[in-house]
Amino acid sequence: GENVEQHPSTLSVQEGDSAVIKCTYSDSASNYFPWYKQELGKRPQLIIDIRSNVGEKKDQRIAVTLNKTAKHFSLHITETQPEDSAVYFCAAIGSGGGADGLTFGKGTHLIIQP
Amino acid sequence: ETGVTQTPRHLVMGMTNKKSLKCEQHLGHNAMYWYKQSAKKPLELMFVYNFKEQTENNSVPSRFSPECPNSSHLFLHLHTLQPEDSALYLCASSQDQVETGHTGELFFGEGSRLTVL
Repeated sequence: GENVEQHPSTLSVQEGDSAVIKCTYSDSASNYFPWYKQELGKRPQLIIDIRSNVGEKKDQRIAVTLNKTAKHFSLHITETQPEDSAVYFCAAIGSGGGADGLTFGKGTHLIIQP
Repeated sequence: ETGVTQTPRHLVMGMTNKKSLKCEQHLGHNAMYWYKQSAKKPLELMFVYNFKEQTENNSVPSRFSPECPNSSHLFLHLHTLQPEDSALYLCASSQDQVETGHTGELFFGEGSRLTVL
């Protein structure tokens, strides 16, 4: 099955700086890579996703890049704000598509220092 | 109600009890999931129901038994659990495309916080 590794486990940045979270996956047939944000005591929510037919996707201050050859993808947050503090999870779906379900990374606790 | 709702939100049970977690989605989705979230661990996929058929069981112990009576409801029946089963159990749903196999965005419920004494 799919295996997703995520780094770092904790990331502390100054407000206004950029944050980068990296993930690698094992199944070369994986074709869908979402990122979820989970604030303390709340449910995970999708913030951005990318499919394997594109290399980069951007939505305002958030961007995701995908390197299929290296089997890794990254989340980039620019101009960080206090409300960006949360746990971020990357995920990948295996070659079986929806029948496999998403495999998540262990999460990155992002702390925005004022 | 909208979205994905889970009940109960909190549950404390002894190791010999039998209880059930309930999930209901009001989004018209065709796939539902159970995930387990423990401290310092990733979201662990337990069960997938796609078009009401169970398609994944990630070696989950038999003391967890899922039931999906229709595409809107999902249950997780609990029996003779262990203290290490204490965790947040999250239900989710998505709309998957039959033709392409593409999965849609996962919508999570608030979770059921389970404590096993």
